[in-house]
Amino acid sequence: GENVEQHPSTLSVQEGDSAVIKCTYSDSASNYFPWYKQELGKRPQLIIDIRSNVGEKKDQRIAVTLNKTAKHFSLHITETQPEDSAVYFCAACPTDSWGKLQFGAGTQVVVTP
Amino acid sequence: DAMVIQNPRYQVTQFGKPVTLSCSQTLNHNVMYWYQQKSSQAPKLLFHYYDKDFNNEADTPDNFQSRRPNTSFCFLDIRSPGLGDAAMYLCATSRVAGGSSYNEQFFGPGTRLTVL
Repeated sequence: GENVEQHPSTLSVQEGDSAVIKCTYSDSASNYFPWYKQELGKRPQLIIDIRSNVGEKKDQRIAVTLNKTAKHFSLHITETQPEDSAVYFCAACPTDSWGKLQFGAGTQVVVTP
Repeated sequence: DAMVIQNPRYQVTQFGKPVTLSCSQTLNHNVMYWYQQKSSQAPKLLFHYYDKDFNNEADTPDNFQSRRPNTSFCFLDIRSPGLGDAAMYLCATSRVAGGSSYNEQFFGPGTRLTVL
């Protein structure tokens, strides 16, 4: 089955700096890669996703890159703000898995003013 | 405009006393998922329904059962809760076509289960 590794487990950044979270996956059949943000006590919320036919996707301060050959994908947050503080989960979804997501272990991001 | 609703938000039960958590959706999505999330961990998929087809994860304990009486509702039954079952239970929905065409999973707010 799919296995997703996520690094780092914690990330502290100064407000205004960039944050990068990296994930690797094992199943070459995976073709959908969402990123979820989860604030304390709240539900995971999708912030950006990318499909395997695309190498990069950007939405305002958030971008995701995908390297299918190396089987890794990354989340980039620029100009970080205190409200970006949360746990971020990457996930991979193999083809023909009925949408089943394999999550990474999560990254606790702390943005200090 | 609530999309995925879970009730109750907080549930306290006693060790061994059966409990049922509910999830409903207004999105008309064909797939519904139940996840267990423990503190500081990623959500762990317990099972999912594709329409009425039930799919159990291999490592989901027999203590956990699910029912989906119609498209909108899905229930999680924990037959004999143990202390280790205390967690946040998240319901999610998605539209999946043909097993390989899928979209965002929408999560409900979760039910936090406490076992005394």
